Amino acid sequence: DAGITQSPRHKVTETGTPVTLRCHQTENHRYMYWYRQDPGHGLRLIHYSYGVKDTDKGEVSDGYSVSRSKTEDFLLTLESATSSQTSVYFCAISDQPQETQYFGPGTRLLVL
Amino acid sequence: SQQGEEDPQALSIQEGENATMNCSYKTSINNLQWYRQNSGRGLVHLILIRSNEREKHSGRLRVTLDTSKKSSSLLITASRAADTASYFCATDENGNKLVFGAGTILRVKS
Repeated sequence: DAGITQSPRHKVTETGTPVTLRCHQTENHRYMYWYRQDPGHGLRLIHYSYGVKDTDKGEVSDGYSVSRSKTEDFLLTLESATSSQTSVYFCAISDQPQETQYFGPGTRLLVL
Repeated sequence: SQQGEEDPQALSIQEGENATMNCSYKTSINNLQWYRQNSGRGLVHLILIRSNEREKHSGRLRVTLDTSKKSSSLLITASRAADTASYFCATDENGNKLVFGAGTILRVKS
């Protein structure tokens, strides 16, 4: 596996609380992505980053924010968690846009 | 919106048989990729085929791309129980993004 870790791996939280998920890479890849995976929907892009402090929205960005202050770290924040944000969240990295992406192990988030 | 759509949604075969999955997409692409996901794990890249390529092989995998029909197929030959997984195609859009389909669930029975 490429050097990508996600933390936490599992989290249970309550509606209305903020949640931050962390993605850490050791590959020095420029591009980093956050996806969510739900049954019947495949992977949907939430936000992505094309460099330090450079981010853009994906398909399902409402209710989420991101930050990238260092090449190796990409944070995803659920500003006020809702039950609809219960999902599995994957981070991915790539060296070039639209090329091979390498995925982290995922974070299972349950919002009660 | 989903660019790639896989077909079938689920496939069950016996060990040793071949498995074929299809992916259709809507707009022009630069490349198409296939990924595998084992249960509870992240996606793993299998193969990338560019728009000017028609066929590509990697071990027991064979991928074809027909840009005139906007479709691709993934063939796994001589399947094994370890091939049991979900398979996703992903296509590029303008910009720095891939769009993934909903996937095909493959079950290989031993």
